Amino acid sequence: KNQVEQSPQSLIILEGKNCTLQCNYTVSPFSNLRWYKQDTGRGPVSLTIMTFSENTKSNGRYTATLDADTKQSSLHITASQLSDSASYICVVTLVYNAGNMLTFGGGTRLMVKP
Amino acid sequence: DAGVIQSPRHEVTEMGQEVTLRCKPISGHNSLFWYRQTMMRGLELLIYFNNNVPIDDSGMPEDRFSAKMPNASFSTLKIQPSEPRDSAVYFCASSPGGDVGYEQYFGPGTRLTVT
Repeated sequence: KNQVEQSPQSLIILEGKNCTLQCNYTVSPFSNLRWYKQDTGRGPVSLTIMTFSENTKSNGRYTATLDADTKQSSLHITASQLSDSASYICVVTLVYNAGNMLTFGGGTRLMVKP
Repeated sequence: DAGVIQSPRHEVTEMGQEVTLRCKPISGHNSLFWYRQTMMRGLELLIYFNNNVPIDDSGMPEDRFSAKMPNASFSTLKIQPSEPRDSAVYFCASSPGGDVGYEQYFGPGTRLTVT
């Protein structure tokens, strides 16, 4: 079972609307949690990185939140634009004795329609 | 900065053939990562190097896969022999940090199709 679960798997919204993507994780302890945006046919691009002690991090219209108690993170997109259409991937860096390990969510595919 | 450069961007080959994917990391970055992405399995880390030395290759699926980093500006991922199930997009990423926990910058990927 994947230790990082994202929801929804896909989402369609109208341009200008807000939306929130969810990432629930069971891995522990972790050093950071990242959200990536991946446009079709391109590599992922980092949106935010949060350490376990941070609650929120913003990058323009993107705001990520982290609740380490409930092991949940969300990515909120404000005033969506057509260019926000992409896949959004949550990645948790797990800390273990030999070093760090990445655990990837399956991604949420967002489509913004005019 | 040109970012991470990968070549080729697309590769179509027949089962059994050898495939070599290439990557040039961002200058000054000392870590390099190879990933595979499929619809079924999502993004998977195959192997990563730090200062040209392979650190963790536990994600490499089988002996048919091998990766090298002969110098700080070049890496290859080789599949020999290739199989249809190897069809995927292969990404290379580089990082200024020493392990997977640091910010990574991805290349555009190589779309591999094995028929």
